[in-house]
Amino acid sequence: GAGVSQSPSNKVTEKGKDVELRCDPISGHTALYWYRQSLGQGLEFLIYFQGNSAPDKSGLPSDRFSAERTGGSVSTLTIQRTQQEDSAVYLCASSFVAGNYEQYFGPGTRLTVT
Amino acid sequence: AQRVTQPEKLLSVFKGAPVELKCNYSYSGSPELFWYVQYSRQRLQLLLRHISRESIKGFTADLNKGETSFHLKKPFAQEEDSAMYYCALSYPLNTGNQFYFGTGTSLTVIP
Repeated sequence: GAGVSQSPSNKVTEKGKDVELRCDPISGHTALYWYRQSLGQGLEFLIYFQGNSAPDKSGLPSDRFSAERTGGSVSTLTIQRTQQEDSAVYLCASSFVAGNYEQYFGPGTRLTVT
Repeated sequence: AQRVTQPEKLLSVFKGAPVELKCNYSYSGSPELFWYVQYSRQRLQLLLRHISRESIKGFTADLNKGETSFHLKKPFAQEEDSAMYYCALSYPLNTGNQFYFGTGTSLTVIP
């Protein structure tokens, strides 16, 4: 069956540009998560959605980061005015509901800011 | 504050030897704990969670609330166990669930 998909798989952008990363969760999964994976930093939790709402946005690194989810399905993570420290792999995951259910991860988007 | 600590970035063991990947967490309540694994060129995937009390691929993990640990163990390591392992913690807050992953341990099983 179809798993979590993310696009693009790779993105190279110039410092200062905006980027949009997309995540398509598994059909029927109401919870969707965004993480950032940097070298030596492990996985950094950014935000999660239960349905279309994000209960807590405090994990977003700065106000340049925003995320939305519409229709309880696709989510986009937007980074405005990208900086070199934003370079990382951005992972999306989904689960049946938020909490202690298994999270299914996508392949990630590798973002490089030059 | 680091909620999940995996003290070993790299761990090498010989095939057939026991392996233990350490995980300590910081949370005073009743946490949900997980181990995720990422094999080479594959997606991150769930290995096991403490609530299920199951053994997957010969791995087990016991929650020790006194030591706030959730170490992953396997009595006889296999080459196919070589991968990156992440310990994860989840707990509810009024504002919603919180999720923390450790920095990961890269396990290499030497043939």
